[in-house]
Amino acid sequence: GAGVSQSPSNKVTEKGKDVELRCDPISGHTALYWYRQSLGQGLEFLIYFQGNSAPDKSGLPSDRFSAERTGGSVSTLTIQRTQQEDSAVYLCASSPPGRSYEQYFGPGTRLTVT
Amino acid sequence: GENVEQHPSTLSVQEGDSAVIKCTYSDSASNYFPWYKQELGKRPQLIIDIRSNVGEKKDQRIAVTLNKTAKHFSLHITETQPEDSAVYFCAASKPQLRNTPLVFGKGTRLSVIA
Repeated sequence: GAGVSQSPSNKVTEKGKDVELRCDPISGHTALYWYRQSLGQGLEFLIYFQGNSAPDKSGLPSDRFSAERTGGSVSTLTIQRTQQEDSAVYLCASSPPGRSYEQYFGPGTRLTVT
Repeated sequence: GENVEQHPSTLSVQEGDSAVIKCTYSDSASNYFPWYKQELGKRPQLIIDIRSNVGEKKDQRIAVTLNKTAKHFSLHITETQPEDSAVYFCAASKPQLRNTPLVFGKGTRLSVIA
């Protein structure tokens, strides 16, 4: 079946602009996670959703970052007033009900802030 | 919260040799430990995992061992092949606590030299 998809695959934006990144989880997956991967670095947890609610926002690096999920499916990660240090690959993952440990990753969005 | 340390950060081996990557974790409540492989430009993919009720798990050339007392776990790849070259991430989580995110190590870049 279809895996996790993300769009856009690449985004170049000017410093100070807002960007929206989209994640389409695997159909039926209830949990959705956002991670950030800077060049050559590990996976930094940002936020996760169980259904439409976000019990854990502790990983969001600043108040310029926000995320929402509607209809228990698609999620958008918004970064306001982008900074150069926001440049990274943003990965989304989803998990089936009752198996949050099984995380299936999307291909990521490569964000470059110039 | 959980902290996962991973060593080494880079590893080069000759084709046919074995490779070992080690991780330690801090939270004794963690009981699920997956390993992900990320090839260049691609998404992380789960290759093997282990739960705390077993000490070792093997899948063909890949094995994972877990020492709960010492809070460390290791990935072993035998008879390495060039296609094993990738970045490998370990992670830890507590799935008994609903939908807690994975905490990842910083990754190990494995190069298999033909």
